Amino acid sequence: EVQLVESGGGLVQPGGSLRLPCATSGFAFSSYWMSWVRQAPGKGLEWVANINQDGSEKYYVDSVKGRFTISRDNAKNSLYLHMNSLRAEDTAVYYCAREVRPVRFDYWGQGTLVTVSS
Amino acid sequence: QSALTQPPSASGSPGQSVTISCTGTSSDVGGYNYVSWYQQHPGKAPKLMIYEVSQRPSGVPDRFSGSKSGNTASLTVSGLQAEDEADYYCVSYAGSNDYVFGTGTKVTVL
Repeated sequence: EVQLVESGGGLVQPGGSLRLPCATSGFAFSSYWMSWVRQAPGKGLEWVANINQDGSEKYYVDSVKGRFTISRDNAKNSLYLHMNSLRAEDTAVYYCAREVRPVRFDYWGQGTLVTVSS
Repeated sequence: QSALTQPPSASGSPGQSVTISCTGTSSDVGGYNYVSWYQQHPGKAPKLMIYEVSQRPSGVPDRFSGSKSGNTASLTVSGLQAEDEADYYCVSYAGSNDYVFGTGTKVTVL
């Protein structure tokens, strides 16, 4: 059974940092692109970043470029999102998702809530 | 990239059909056959319903269908059932590894 489990969310002050892990199981993690997608409270979905199978290609939405870093550890079947210089507008539930082809996210985690507030 | 435009709401009675539009530009929806649709129930993760404009993943009922004409993609839910009441989001590839989601549509089963 394919499983994706995010963790690491919580309350952080503006300007602070947070790392979100996504632990995966049930599939060949190193064979897939992976993405992070977020959803602000009561708002729509927003793609945040993705990474290719060996970590050599990484792409980001403009609003997080230079502040967020996506990474992966294929030996641990884990995906990460390192978030720096956090802003109030980064407050959202963050989902990790397996990406089969562009915009085809076939498995999602349950999400982890990040709240940026003083 | 601006979000793709979806109607805020749509509704239908059980057994009826509802169609949701997703309007973008020639740089996203109109330029690629990479359009997906996701269903999201309150407090739950999104679920893939349609990919590559009209392809249905295994396990998704054939009541769900997708199409595209020009810069507008559409999701049709036929034979509406109570469990279809949810939020629906489209998403399109926009070139240069950029992905843009739609604004979302709340479907109500009357």
